[in-house]
Amino acid sequence: EVQLLESGGGLVQPGGSLRLSCVASGFSFRIYAMSWVRQAPGKGLEWVSSINGDDYSTFYADSVRGRFTISRDNSKKTLYLQMNSLRIEDTALYYCAKSAGRVVTTTPPFDSWGQGTLAAVSS
Amino acid sequence: DIQLTQSPSSLYASVRDTVTITCRASQNSVSYLNWYQQKPGKAPKLLIYGATHLQSGVPSRFSASGSGTDFTLTITSLEPEDFATYYCQQSYQTPLTFGGGTRLQIK
Repeated sequence: EVQLLESGGGLVQPGGSLRLSCVASGFSFRIYAMSWVRQAPGKGLEWVSSINGDDYSTFYADSVRGRFTISRDNSKKTLYLQMNSLRIEDTALYYCAKSAGRVVTTTPPFDSWGQGTLAAVSS
Repeated sequence: DIQLTQSPSSLYASVRDTVTITCRASQNSVSYLNWYQQKPGKAPKLLIYGATHLQSGVPSRFSASGSGTDFTLTITSLEPEDFATYYCQQSYQTPLTFGGGTRLQIK
C-alpha cells in the first residue's frame, strides 16, 4: 500500500523559511515522479512543484519559482520542499503526491496523496 | 498556460440522481485530463485519468468523456458518499493546472 507522510509545516513570519518532507513507502520511490500540491484555506487545489523520476528534472509554478526548491533523496525515500522568502499567500495545506509514471506530464501526476502538512505564514 | 474552467461551480442533487460536470480547457489538452474527488478534511482522490479511464477501485457509476478542450464527468445514480468537491486537472504540460472545483451538495 502506498503511503505518503508529510511533515515540516508550522507557523513562520513573512520572509521566513520552512522545509517540508514527505516520507514514502509501499512503492519503488526512485522510479516515480513526485509533486507538491497546496490548498489555501477554503480554496481549490494549486500545483506547486514536481520532480521527475527518471532525469530528476524539476518544474515549478510561477508563483513559487525562485523561492521554493524541490528535491528528493531516493536512499531515504523522501521528497522535500525547501520554501524560502515565504509570503502570507503561501499559507496552505501542502500535499505530497505520487505520479503514476516516471514523468509528471502525460501520465496521471497525482495518483496517491498524503494527508498534508500545514504551513502558515503570518506576522 | 492551460486554464481549466469547470461548470457548474456548485450543484445540488439528490441520492439516485445523475449529474454531469464539465471542464473546458483553454488549449488542446489531448486526452491528458484527470478528475479528482475531495471530501472535507481529506486529501483528493484520483477518480479518472486520461479523460476516460476509471482508476482502480473507483465505482463504475463514475464515468467520463471528452478530448481536446471539452471534458465531462458523469456520476450515475448518486450515492450518499459521492457528495464532495470534484476537480479536473490537466497533465498535458507544465504548469499543471486544476479547474476551480465543483461542489456537489445534497438537495
